Amino acid sequence: AQSVTQPDARVTVSEGASLQLRCKYSYSGTPYLFWYVQYPRQGLQLLLKYYSGDPVVQGVNGFEAEFIKSNSSFHLRKASVHWSDSAVYFCAVSASSGSWQLIFGSGTQLTVMP
Amino acid sequence: EAAVTQSPRSKVAVTGGKVTLSCHQTNNHDYMYWYRQDTGHGLRLIHYSYVADSTEKGDIPDGYKASRPSQENFSLILELASLSQTAVYFCASSGDGYAEQFFGPGTRLTVL
Repeated sequence: AQSVTQPDARVTVSEGASLQLRCKYSYSGTPYLFWYVQYPRQGLQLLLKYYSGDPVVQGVNGFEAEFIKSNSSFHLRKASVHWSDSAVYFCAVSASSGSWQLIFGSGTQLTVMP
Repeated sequence: EAAVTQSPRSKVAVTGGKVTLSCHQTNNHDYMYWYRQDTGHGLRLIHYSYVADSTEKGDIPDGYKASRPSQENFSLILELASLSQTAVYFCASSGDGYAEQFFGPGTRLTVL
């Protein structure tokens, strides 16, 4: 069965600093991987996705993530954060075959200090 | 642009009462989902559907029913609401079971 671990429940960074939010997944096959962002009192919005090919995927608003199969990781990165990036970030995984279900991590609350 | 709407956006219900949450999508997607989000937690799948007039159980279906009368509409029904069902509920749709999901704005349900 698939699972997703986001080890950092809360991350605080200063505006302009670089960012990495960690995500590790458990799945024996080839996963489909996603990062979603949730702003206060809103639904989830897709930041980026990985299906296959180049392991570094670009998303919206300068976010990117790298799929490292050997480490079962899909960490989210941004070179320079803005105060408006403050939100909750969810990593999710789905199987590429068989059971399709999308499994979410518990989320990381990002606070960007001005 | 893909759109998933939910109604109501918030609701207060009494214990033992019946609650119906509605979801409408204009994405022409076959798959629709209902998730529950509790404070400080990720999303957990309650029910899903991949075709009209058919629903499937997710990870936490107990206490919930679902209805998919058409491709566009998907409802979540709490026949006997309980305090433990206080949460935010999200509806989502996708083109297939592996594709990205598009989420609605959520319904905040409080059961008193």
